[in-house]
Amino acid sequence: TQLLEQSPQFLSIQEGENLTVYCNSSSVFSSLQWYRQEPGEGPVLLVTVVTGGEVKKLKRLTFQFGDARKDSSLHITAAQPGDTGLYLCAGNDYKLSFGAGTTVTVRA
Amino acid sequence: KAGVTQTPRYLIKTRGQQVTLSCSPISGHRSVSWYQQTPGQGLQFLFEYFSETQRNKGNFPGRFSGRQFSNSRSEMNVSTLELGDSALYLCASSFKPGAYNEQFFGPGTRLTVL
Repeated sequence: TQLLEQSPQFLSIQEGENLTVYCNSSSVFSSLQWYRQEPGEGPVLLVTVVTGGEVKKLKRLTFQFGDARKDSSLHITAAQPGDTGLYLCAGNDYKLSFGAGTTVTVRA
Repeated sequence: KAGVTQTPRYLIKTRGQQVTLSCSPISGHRSVSWYQQTPGQGLQFLFEYFSETQRNKGNFPGRFSGRQFSNSRSEMNVSTLELGDSALYLCASSFKPGAYNEQFFGPGTRLTVL
């Protein structure tokens, strides 16, 4: 049973559109991390959020951590084909507990 | 700074054999964790090493083992391979253990068991 539920499972959009990926947890984690993974490669760390209510921006990516530190979202503005990949959220206590991931495809 | 390196990148074995995978962490990182990624189960934690000691272990059978050397490099071993062990094995390093220490992943070793 996944401790973290990600939705949607798949997302296909046109270049220039916006998208949001959600991550909901049944547990409170000390921190939560978002990764992007491309086929055949390891996950690449995008951001770490720690404080409830925290919002972090990384160029066109905006990450939010819920007040109760049990949910998070990733919003991409004006998506580009280079944003294509598997987006994973992971709760960090002493190990990373991953959601199943959201496969994002941005069509040119 | 060089990232996490894993060798080999690809490996094909047959059932019953054993395999050893290697991971070199980012320079200065002393904690190494191993994860298994499969299409059905996603990413699952195997174990974590720090200062040559296994600190935590996930819910995997005893056929999965690991160790860490004094230079923080780590190896994991899988004995008596089963078809279900086919997976991408990922190593992640962090400066030290703990929930607030970010983990950085290597490219993985793709293991295929025939």
